[in-house]
Amino acid sequence: AQRVTQPEKLLSVFKGAPVELKCNYSYSGSPELFWYVQYSRQRLQLLLRHISRESIKGFTADLNKGETSFHLKKPFAQEEDSAMYYCALKTHGGYQKVTFGTGTKLQVIP
Amino acid sequence: ETGVTQSPTHLIKTRGQQVTLRCSSQSGHNTVSWYQQALGQGPQFIFQYYREEENGRGNFPPRFSGLQFPNYSSELNVNALELDDSALYLCASSLHTGSEQYFGPGTRLTVT
Repeated sequence: AQRVTQPEKLLSVFKGAPVELKCNYSYSGSPELFWYVQYSRQRLQLLLRHISRESIKGFTADLNKGETSFHLKKPFAQEEDSAMYYCALKTHGGYQKVTFGTGTKLQVIP
Repeated sequence: ETGVTQSPTHLIKTRGQQVTLRCSSQSGHNTVSWYQQALGQGPQFIFQYYREEENGRGNFPPRFSGLQFPNYSSELNVNALELDDSALYLCASSLHTGSEQYFGPGTRLTVT
C-alpha cells in the first residue's frame, strides 16, 4: 500500500528564513510525486511535480529515492507563501491511484 | 477558458439518503478525479474517470459510484449516506491521465 507522510501539521518561520516542508512516502513501485498548495479561500493547485524539476515561486523539491523523501524547500520565505501545502503520490499508468498527505500549514511571520 | 465547476456548493442530507454531486471539467480535459476531504485531513482519492471509463479507484466502498459523460462532465453518487461521509468533495480535471490536475471549489456535504 502506498502512503504519504507529512510529519508537521504547522510550520512557522520568519520572513526571510529558509523553509523546508517534509514529505516521506512509501511505495513499492516508481512513484510520481507532487506538491500542491492551497492559499486562503482559493482552490487547491499544483505547485510542482518531480518529473518537471522546475522551481516555482522559488520553491524546489528533489526526489530522494534512497530516503523516500520529497521535501519542499525555499531559501527565503515570503509572507505570501503562507498557505496549506500537500504532498501527493501518484502511481504510473494503467489503473491509477493518488495518495495525499495530511498537509502542513506554513505560517510566515512578518 | 472555463475552469472546473462543481454543484451544488453546499448540501445537507440525512443518514441513509442518497446524493449526487456534479462536476464540469475544464474545456478539453478528458480525465476527471474525485476526492473526499474531511476536516483537517488531506484529500482522499475516490476514483478517476478517463473517457467515460473508471481507470483508478481508492479505498472507498461500492456505495460510492460515478459516471463520466461524453462531454467529460462527471457525477459522484453516494448511496446509504453515513455521518462519516460529511466532508468536502473535490473534483479535478486534467488534459489526460498523466497531466496536471485542475481542482474545482468543492461541494460541502453535511450528513445529519
